[in-house]
Formats: sequence, C-alpha cells, structure tokens
Amino acid sequence: KAGVTQTPRYLIKTRGQQVTLSCSPISGHRSVSWYQQTPGQGLQFLFEYFSETQRNKGNFPGRFSGRQFSNSRSEMNVSTLELGDSALYLCASSLAQGHNEQFFGPGTRLTVL
Amino acid sequence: DQQVKQNSPSLSVQEGRISILNCDYTNSMFDYFLWYKKYPAEGPTFLISISSIKDKNEDGRFTVFLNKSAKHLSLHIVPSQPGDSAVYFCAAKGLSGGYQKVTFGTGTKLQVIP
Repeated sequence: KAGVTQTPRYLIKTRGQQVTLSCSPISGHRSVSWYQQTPGQGLQFLFEYFSETQRNKGNFPGRFSGRQFSNSRSEMNVSTLELGDSALYLCASSLAQGHNEQFFGPGTRLTVL
Repeated sequence: DQQVKQNSPSLSVQEGRISILNCDYTNSMFDYFLWYKKYPAEGPTFLISISSIKDKNEDGRFTVFLNKSAKHLSLHIVPSQPGDSAVYFCAAKGLSGGYQKVTFGTGTKLQVIP
C-alpha cells in the first residue's frame, strides 16, 4: 500500500506570493492533517480535514487555509507569504477523524526569500 | 506557550544500553500520548502510544510510561541499537480551545553509539 505523498517536495517563493501544497493520503484514509515544522517550534498543528470539512484547527492566521476533495486528497494554501513561513510542511493521514495513529508524508520544504 | 516539552534536545547512548527520553506536559485535558520517530528527509513515523487511563504500554524494545500526577511521560528503549538514532517527538492529544488537537514537543535527537 502506497504511503502518504506530498508534492512538491521543495519549493522556493518570494515574500508576498502565495503557494499551494498537495497531499495524497494512504488509500482508504479519510482524515488529513497538516503540520508546520520549524527548528525552534517543532511540529505545530495547522488543521485537520475529514469528509471535505475542516474539523479541527490550530493557532495559525487566516493566511493559512486548506481544503479536502471527495477522494480525500488535500491541499494547503498560504497567501501573502512571509519570511517566517519558511518551514517543512507535513501532511499526515489517518483512517478517520480523531484516529490516534497518523501516517506522515515526507513533507514539502518551503523557502521564502 | 509550549504545552508539551522535551527538555533534552539531544541524548547519546551506547549500543546495548537503555535510552530514556522524557516529555512533560501542562494541559490536563490531554488524554492520549504518542511517540514518533523521525529520520532526516522523512516524515515522522508512529512508534508507540498510551492512553491516559494506563500508566505503561510496552511494544518490543519500546516502553512508554505515563505519570499523570507529574504530567510526565517517558520512552524507554532497551536495548538501544544504532538504527534507533533519530529524532524522537512526543505528542499529546486532547481538547484545546474547543478543538481536538495533537500537540508535539520539539524533539530529542538520540544518537546510539556502536
């Protein structure tokens, strides 16, 4: 069974631009969560989607948004990029909302110049 | 406000000895705890978990201990192997601000020396 895939793996953008990251969960998994990892803050929870609806969210500004499609694939969008948005963005899938065991993708490394 | 803390950023252990990784939390609403292992250039992989109604869970070489009164959990790896060298994250799950969230610690880098 294929794991969680994320595209692109690396991305370079400039301040003010927007970016869209994609995540394909493990087949059969219906919940997708997004995390931001930075050296000083560790992994921080962004949001969780289940059945195309945002079910949980972390403490990030509205510039961070996401969506989930009917096939459970998810996208995350960051608008008006700031230098501090440079991070590794990880997607994790699980069978259902709130399911304890999550499976992570390799992440997308975003660099904002 | 770091609700889950891993105060040791790194740890070195000889192969064959015990590795003990520690984690402290502040939110009493957390009801489930997990440990993840992360290799460079890969996403974290689930290792072991424990419910707040238990104080110990064991899976092969890995054992997690939970002390609710102290709001402390630890991961024991016995015996440690070079392949265990990775960054270990503890995570806590529970209601926070009206949402069910998973909160991660900042990680402890474990090096097992052959």
